[in-house]
Amino acid sequence: AQKVTQAQTEISVVEKEDVTLDCVYETRDTTYYLFWYKQPPSGELVFLIRRNSFDEQNEISGRYSWNFQKSTSSFNFTITASQVVDSAVYFCALLTSGTYKYIFGTGTRLKVLA
Amino acid sequence: NAGVTQTPKFRVLKTGQSMTLLCAQDMNHEYMYWYRQDPGMGLRLIHYSVGEGTTAKGEVPDGYNVSRLKKQNFLLGLESAAPSQTSVYFCASSHPGQRSSYGYTFGSGTRLTVV
Repeated sequence: AQKVTQAQTEISVVEKEDVTLDCVYETRDTTYYLFWYKQPPSGELVFLIRRNSFDEQNEISGRYSWNFQKSTSSFNFTITASQVVDSAVYFCALLTSGTYKYIFGTGTRLKVLA
Repeated sequence: NAGVTQTPKFRVLKTGQSMTLLCAQDMNHEYMYWYRQDPGMGLRLIHYSVGEGTTAKGEVPDGYNVSRLKKQNFLLGLESAAPSQTSVYFCASSHPGQRSSYGYTFGSGTRLTVV
Protein backbone atom coordinates (compact mmCIF):
# COMPACT_ATOMS: atom_id res chain seq x y z
CA ALA A 1 0.00 0.00 0.00
CA GLN A 2 1.10 3.55 -0.64
CA LYS A 3 0.39 6.22 1.85
CA VAL A 4 1.53 9.65 2.95
CA THR A 5 1.02 10.72 6.54
CA GLN A 6 1.22 14.28 7.77
CA ALA A 7 0.46 13.83 11.44
CA GLN A 8 0.52 17.53 12.26
CA THR A 9 -2.86 18.95 11.40
CA GLU A 10 -2.06 22.50 12.44
CA ILE A 11 1.00 24.29 13.77
CA SER A 12 1.21 27.81 15.13
CA VAL A 13 4.49 29.62 15.57
CA VAL A 14 5.57 33.15 16.23
CA GLU A 15 7.35 34.99 13.46
CA LYS A 16 11.10 34.27 13.26
CA GLU A 17 10.75 30.88 14.88
CA ASP A 18 11.92 27.79 13.01
CA VAL A 19 9.32 25.17 12.23
CA THR A 20 9.49 21.64 10.86
CA LEU A 21 6.64 19.97 9.01
CA ASP A 22 6.72 16.20 9.11
CA CYS A 23 5.97 13.82 6.26
CA VAL A 24 6.11 10.04 6.51
CA TYR A 25 5.48 7.89 3.47
CA GLU A 26 4.87 4.23 2.75
CA THR A 27 5.70 2.43 -0.46
CA ARG A 28 7.21 -0.87 -1.52
CA ASP A 29 8.58 0.57 -4.72
CA THR A 30 12.28 1.27 -4.91
CA THR A 31 11.84 4.14 -7.35
CA TYR A 32 9.61 6.96 -6.23
CA TYR A 33 9.41 10.71 -5.97
CA LEU A 34 8.42 12.96 -3.11
CA PHE A 35 7.06 16.46 -3.36
CA TRP A 36 6.04 19.37 -1.22
CA TYR A 37 3.33 21.82 -2.25
CA LYS A 38 2.24 25.04 -0.62
CA GLN A 39 -1.36 26.25 -0.59
CA PRO A 40 -1.56 29.87 0.62
CA PRO A 41 -4.86 31.43 1.74
CA SER A 42 -5.56 32.43 -1.85
CA GLY A 43 -6.06 28.72 -2.60
CA GLU A 44 -3.69 27.90 -5.40
CA LEU A 45 -1.23 25.02 -5.11
CA VAL A 46 2.41 25.88 -5.55
CA PHE A 47 5.12 23.32 -6.24
CA LEU A 48 8.05 23.67 -3.83
CA ILE A 49 10.38 20.73 -4.29
CA ARG A 50 10.85 17.27 -5.72
CA ARG A 51 13.17 14.56 -4.41
CA ASN A 52 13.69 11.13 -5.97
CA SER A 53 14.36 7.98 -4.02
CA PHE A 54 17.95 7.72 -5.17
CA ASP A 55 18.95 11.12 -3.92
CA GLU A 56 19.08 11.47 -0.16
CA GLN A 57 20.91 14.74 -0.22
CA ASN A 58 19.27 17.38 1.85
CA GLU A 59 18.37 20.55 0.06
CA ILE A 60 18.31 24.15 1.10
CA SER A 61 16.60 26.94 -0.73
CA GLY A 62 16.75 30.23 1.11
CA ARG A 63 14.83 29.78 4.35
CA TYR A 64 13.49 26.41 3.24
CA SER A 65 15.24 23.09 3.76
CA TRP A 66 14.24 19.50 3.25
CA ASN A 67 15.51 16.42 5.06
CA PHE A 68 14.97 13.13 3.22
CA GLN A 69 15.70 9.97 5.20
CA LYS A 70 14.90 6.65 3.58
CA SER A 71 15.72 4.77 6.76
CA THR A 72 12.74 6.36 8.48
CA SER A 73 10.66 6.95 5.31
CA SER A 74 10.47 10.62 6.08
CA PHE A 75 10.71 13.77 4.01
CA ASN A 76 10.53 16.65 6.44
CA PHE A 77 10.35 20.32 5.59
CA THR A 78 11.87 23.05 7.74
CA ILE A 79 11.24 26.76 7.49
CA THR A 80 13.89 28.86 9.19
CA ALA A 81 13.01 32.24 10.61
CA SER A 82 9.38 31.90 9.65
CA GLN A 83 7.45 34.84 8.28
CA VAL A 84 3.76 35.66 8.19
CA VAL A 85 3.78 35.02 4.44
CA ASP A 86 4.66 31.40 5.17
CA SER A 87 1.19 30.90 6.60
CA ALA A 88 -0.38 28.27 4.37
CA VAL A 89 -1.37 24.64 4.13
CA TYR A 90 1.53 22.45 3.12
CA PHE A 91 1.06 19.13 1.37
CA CYS A 92 3.49 16.30 0.99
CA ALA A 93 2.96 13.95 -1.97
CA LEU A 94 4.32 10.64 -3.25
CA LEU A 95 4.60 9.46 -6.84
CA THR A 96 5.78 5.94 -7.54
CA SER A 97 7.44 4.91 -10.75
CA GLY A 98 5.03 3.62 -13.36
CA THR A 99 1.94 5.25 -11.92
CA TYR A 100 0.20 8.40 -13.00
CA LYS A 101 -1.30 9.63 -9.80
CA TYR A 102 0.16 11.32 -6.78
CA ILE A 103 -0.73 10.28 -3.27
CA PHE A 104 -1.20 13.37 -1.13
CA GLY A 105 -1.02 13.69 2.60
CA THR A 106 -3.85 15.43 4.40
CA GLY A 107 -1.82 18.61 4.76
CA THR A 108 -0.46 20.68 7.64
CA ARG A 109 -1.84 24.13 8.25
CA LEU A 110 0.92 26.48 9.35
CA LYS A 111 0.01 29.72 11.05
CA VAL A 112 2.78 32.22 11.57
CA LEU A 113 1.80 34.91 14.02
CA ALA A 114 3.29 38.39 13.93
CA ASN B 1 1.46 31.69 -20.75
CA ALA B 2 -1.71 30.95 -18.82
CA GLY B 3 -0.76 27.46 -17.59
CA VAL B 4 -3.86 25.67 -16.31
CA THR B 5 -7.13 27.58 -16.35
CA GLN B 6 -10.26 26.43 -14.57
CA THR B 7 -13.73 27.81 -15.14
CA PRO B 8 -15.82 28.72 -13.30
CA LYS B 9 -14.03 29.76 -10.10
CA PHE B 10 -17.16 29.61 -7.96
CA ARG B 11 -20.54 27.98 -8.38
CA VAL B 12 -23.58 27.24 -6.28
CA LEU B 13 -25.81 24.41 -7.43
CA LYS B 14 -29.08 23.04 -6.20
CA THR B 15 -29.28 19.34 -5.46
CA GLY B 16 -30.03 17.45 -8.64
CA GLN B 17 -28.70 20.09 -11.01
CA SER B 18 -25.95 19.30 -13.47
CA MET B 19 -22.89 21.23 -14.45
CA THR B 20 -19.55 20.93 -16.21
CA LEU B 21 -16.23 22.21 -14.96
CA LEU B 22 -13.73 23.12 -17.64
CA CYS B 23 -9.99 22.74 -17.39
CA ALA B 24 -7.77 24.12 -20.14
CA GLN B 25 -3.99 23.94 -20.37
CA ASP B 26 -1.71 25.56 -22.90
CA MET B 27 1.49 23.66 -22.12
CA ASN B 28 0.86 20.73 -24.46
CA HIS B 29 0.79 18.37 -21.48
CA GLU B 30 -0.27 14.80 -22.07
CA TYR B 31 -1.65 14.06 -18.62
CA MET B 32 -4.52 15.80 -16.93
CA TYR B 33 -6.20 15.20 -13.60
CA TRP B 34 -9.19 16.23 -11.55
CA TYR B 35 -8.87 16.29 -7.76
CA ARG B 36 -11.22 17.33 -5.03
CA GLN B 37 -10.06 18.87 -1.79
CA ASP B 38 -12.05 18.51 1.39
CA PRO B 39 -11.11 19.62 4.91
CA GLY B 40 -8.89 17.07 6.61
CA MET B 41 -8.86 14.82 3.54
CA GLY B 42 -6.10 16.28 1.44
CA LEU B 43 -6.48 15.98 -2.31
CA ARG B 44 -8.23 12.96 -3.72
CA LEU B 45 -8.09 11.94 -7.37
CA ILE B 46 -11.44 11.80 -9.14
CA HIS B 47 -10.48 10.98 -12.73
CA TYR B 48 -7.45 11.38 -14.89
CA SER B 49 -6.42 11.22 -18.53
CA VAL B 50 -3.14 10.13 -20.05
CA GLY B 51 -3.92 11.46 -23.49
CA GLU B 52 -6.55 12.81 -25.84
CA GLY B 53 -9.54 10.51 -25.97
CA THR B 54 -8.56 8.52 -22.87
CA THR B 55 -9.86 8.73 -19.32
CA ALA B 56 -9.54 6.60 -16.21
CA LYS B 57 -11.07 6.46 -12.75
CA GLY B 58 -9.23 7.67 -9.74
CA GLU B 59 -9.88 7.22 -6.06
CA VAL B 60 -13.33 8.84 -5.83
CA PRO B 61 -14.99 8.71 -9.27
CA ASP B 62 -18.62 8.07 -8.27
CA GLY B 63 -21.02 10.81 -9.31
CA TYR B 64 -18.62 12.30 -11.85
CA ASN B 65 -17.90 11.87 -15.52
CA VAL B 66 -15.07 13.25 -17.60
CA SER B 67 -14.14 13.78 -21.22
CA ARG B 68 -10.91 14.61 -23.01
CA LEU B 69 -11.94 15.30 -26.57
CA LYS B 70 -9.11 17.74 -27.13
CA LYS B 71 -5.63 17.45 -25.70
CA GLN B 72 -5.79 20.84 -24.06
CA ASN B 73 -9.16 20.41 -22.37
CA PHE B 74 -10.38 18.12 -19.61
CA LEU B 75 -14.02 18.40 -18.61
CA LEU B 76 -15.50 17.24 -15.32
CA GLY B 77 -19.24 16.69 -15.25
CA LEU B 78 -21.69 16.33 -12.42
CA GLU B 79 -24.90 14.83 -13.77
CA SER B 80 -26.98 15.18 -10.61
CA ALA B 81 -25.25 17.22 -7.95
CA ALA B 82 -25.40 16.14 -4.32
CA PRO B 83 -24.43 18.04 -1.16
CA SER B 84 -21.58 15.53 -0.69
CA GLN B 85 -20.02 17.01 -3.81
CA THR B 86 -19.54 20.35 -2.13
CA SER B 87 -15.79 20.77 -2.39
CA VAL B 88 -12.93 22.61 -4.01
CA TYR B 89 -11.99 21.05 -7.31
CA PHE B 90 -8.52 21.27 -8.74
CA CYS B 91 -7.38 20.42 -12.20
CA ALA B 92 -3.75 19.61 -12.87
CA SER B 93 -1.60 18.69 -15.81
CA SER B 94 1.80 17.14 -16.34
CA HIS B 95 3.97 15.75 -19.07
CA PRO B 96 5.64 12.35 -19.36
CA GLY B 97 9.16 12.62 -18.07
CA GLN B 98 8.39 15.93 -16.48
CA ARG B 99 5.76 14.79 -14.02
CA SER B 100 8.36 13.36 -11.74
CA SER B 101 10.75 16.22 -12.23
CA TYR B 102 8.59 19.26 -12.01
CA GLY B 103 5.44 18.02 -10.40
CA TYR B 104 1.98 18.93 -11.47
CA THR B 105 0.86 22.33 -12.68
CA PHE B 106 -2.37 23.08 -10.87
CA GLY B 107 -5.25 25.31 -11.78
CA SER B 108 -6.49 27.85 -9.27
CA GLY B 109 -9.44 25.73 -8.21
CA THR B 110 -13.23 25.81 -8.43
CA ARG B 111 -15.21 26.20 -5.25
CA LEU B 112 -18.49 24.33 -5.67
CA THR B 113 -21.33 24.42 -3.18
CA VAL B 114 -24.33 22.14 -3.56
CA VAL B 115 -27.36 23.19 -1.51
